[in-house]
Amino acid sequence: DADVTQTPRNRITKTGKRIMLECSQTKGHDRMYWYRQDPGLGLRLIYYSFDVKDINKGEISDGYSVSRQAQAKFSLSLESAIPNQTALYFCATSDLGRDQETQYFGPGTRLLVL
Amino acid sequence: GENVEQHPSTLSVQEGDSAVIKCTYSDSASNYFPWYKQELGKRPQLIIDIRSNVGEKKDQRIAVTLNKTAKHFSLHITETQPEDSAVYFCAAANTGTASKLTFGTGTRLQVTL
Repeated sequence: DADVTQTPRNRITKTGKRIMLECSQTKGHDRMYWYRQDPGLGLRLIYYSFDVKDINKGEISDGYSVSRQAQAKFSLSLESAIPNQTALYFCATSDLGRDQETQYFGPGTRLLVL
Repeated sequence: GENVEQHPSTLSVQEGDSAVIKCTYSDSASNYFPWYKQELGKRPQLIIDIRSNVGEKKDQRIAVTLNKTAKHFSLHITETQPEDSAVYFCAAANTGTASKLTFGTGTRLQVTL
């Protein structure tokens, strides 16, 4: 779904570095989410935002922070990256309305922390 | 919070056979249960969902059943084809509080020729 984009698509960084993953959407959705995917652990919610002034922690928010710069943009930051943050990160969006539960995922960012 | 368990973690079937993936959830307030399919190297995409006021829903070769009493729901794929090979995730949400999905750990389905 080209309406939800993520940059970068792949990133290698070193322990202790600060890194930002960005998500943009042209779907006009109010709600945005950040997940990480690890083998055998499924998709786990890091943070979510229901509008520009709303930020909520998910089940695994420690070590991460987010910024909702605009309705269309939601960034995830790792303040001091560590190796166990190596994972596939997905941004997702959903609408506020009739079909609000359906989430539309971005293509993912593969992050390797050395 | 909600906890969703999914089984099996891997499933191999022959083309044309049926596949069943099962999930259980812990929060009796959950009322929405979607299934997402993730093909290799791709993003997860919704394939079917069911709400708590319905016991079964079908869409061509896929169906989902829900047992609210036992707090479990299942995905059924009939006449499997090679393009059904993917990872499947179940999820649960309480739409009355926040549309926040809790996902299962995924099932890797392999359809062999």
